[in-house]
Amino acid sequence: GAVVSQHPSWVICKSGTSVKIECRSLDFQATTMFWYRQFPKQSLMLMATSNEGSKATYEQGVEKDKFLINHASLTLSTLTVTSAHPEDSSFYICSARDRGLGGANVLTFGAGSRLTVL
Amino acid sequence: DAKTTQPPSMDCAEGRAANLPCNHSTISGNEYVYWYRQIHSQGPQYIIHGLKNNETNEMASLIITEDRKSSTLILPHATLRDTAVYYCIVRVEGGGADGLTFGKGTHLIIQP
Repeated sequence: GAVVSQHPSWVICKSGTSVKIECRSLDFQATTMFWYRQFPKQSLMLMATSNEGSKATYEQGVEKDKFLINHASLTLSTLTVTSAHPEDSSFYICSARDRGLGGANVLTFGAGSRLTVL
Repeated sequence: DAKTTQPPSMDCAEGRAANLPCNHSTISGNEYVYWYRQIHSQGPQYIIHGLKNNETNEMASLIITEDRKSSTLILPHATLRDTAVYYCIVRVEGGGADGLTFGKGTHLIIQP
């Protein structure tokens, strides 16, 4: 089946530094990937839609200059949290569509990346 | 996307069938019902989806009422590993280029 790999699975960084999270579709091509954020005891919140070869689309309230998304190939999207602060500490999850699985709304999710900003 | 309502939590004994309800009274004719689950500290996992007929796969069964205003996800023989938050999402098949919107879901706890 479709597999989405995220790296790193967890990262600790100092306030003010930038952190890059990678999301790869391992056995399928994904023209569109989605980035979610999840705070403790809350549901997933869609942050942005990553489109291969074009600019990402951000949800309302998500700062595009803070959360840089690059989707340079059909199998890789990256999320960079720039100048991270403690309030950015969260669980970041990416997902992608493998249309062969049964439709546009069947998403495969990565295992998530837990970011802790000190 | 139509709004869905799920109980915040449910308990089920291991080995028994877990029946998770979802209300979607404003569902439109071209909207499907999707179920995902999220085990603690992991990414969500697709379970099953359907339009109006009952569906079954290796993970679960989906029962949709005739008026399509509600549905039930059935895990036939729940195990401890089925403890997770289960999300019911209603969406048109094409879905456009938008990501899925997750509500609060139902926290299913399987008791030994």
